[in-house]
Amino acid sequence: DTGVSQNPRHKITKRGQNVTFRCDPISEHNRLYWYRQTLGQGPEFLTYFQNEAQLEKSRLLSDRFSAERPKGSFSTLEIQRTEQGDSAMYLCASSLGGQYNSPLHFGNGTRLTVT
Amino acid sequence: DQQVKQNSPSLSVQEGRISILNCDYTNSMFDYFLWYKKYPAEGPTFLISISSIKDKNEDGRFTVFLNKSAKHLSLHIVPSQPGDSAVYFCAAIGSGGSNYKLTFGKGTLLTVNP
Repeated sequence: DTGVSQNPRHKITKRGQNVTFRCDPISEHNRLYWYRQTLGQGPEFLTYFQNEAQLEKSRLLSDRFSAERPKGSFSTLEIQRTEQGDSAMYLCASSLGGQYNSPLHFGNGTRLTVT
Repeated sequence: DQQVKQNSPSLSVQEGRISILNCDYTNSMFDYFLWYKKYPAEGPTFLISISSIKDKNEDGRFTVFLNKSAKHLSLHIVPSQPGDSAVYFCAAIGSGGSNYKLTFGKGTLLTVNP
């Protein structure tokens, strides 16, 4: 168990630029989640994959956001035309099976700053 | 609207004493509750959980109590240690369609003083 890995750890970008984050889950975990955390708040659910299928997207995920999980392994989260309000910590998590017997394992996050 | 509420942004206790962190929820569909701990610059790590069919779950120094009628849960840490200093998040999940989606509170910063 090498843990959930997220890259980059930090990203500073100018408003209007596109950014892409990568998440490598724990290898045997079939479920992958993206959450976003802003200052003073708890993590908020963005989207969820079971294997390669994206099964739910939060209304927080505007059409500028897209997530993929090709082949059910790593995942990418892309934000197009970034806005200052996108500045946050983006957390990836994975789990094996359902929540009731498999808590989420989080990565250390990617901190995005949009200037 | 906040479905999971942690009304104390911070808590300070002395080493060796008990830490009690509280959490309230409003959604009666929630049936499983978790506590996560978060150190600066790290992701949250799972600490302990409880199902709504139980009122207590214990794991070493950590005990979670659930009062379903009051929609309230608490995390007790006894004895508290300086290494317990972190932000603690209460989270809940429901038996409805989205049974994979955690709803988090805003967190409580616990400081354990030596």
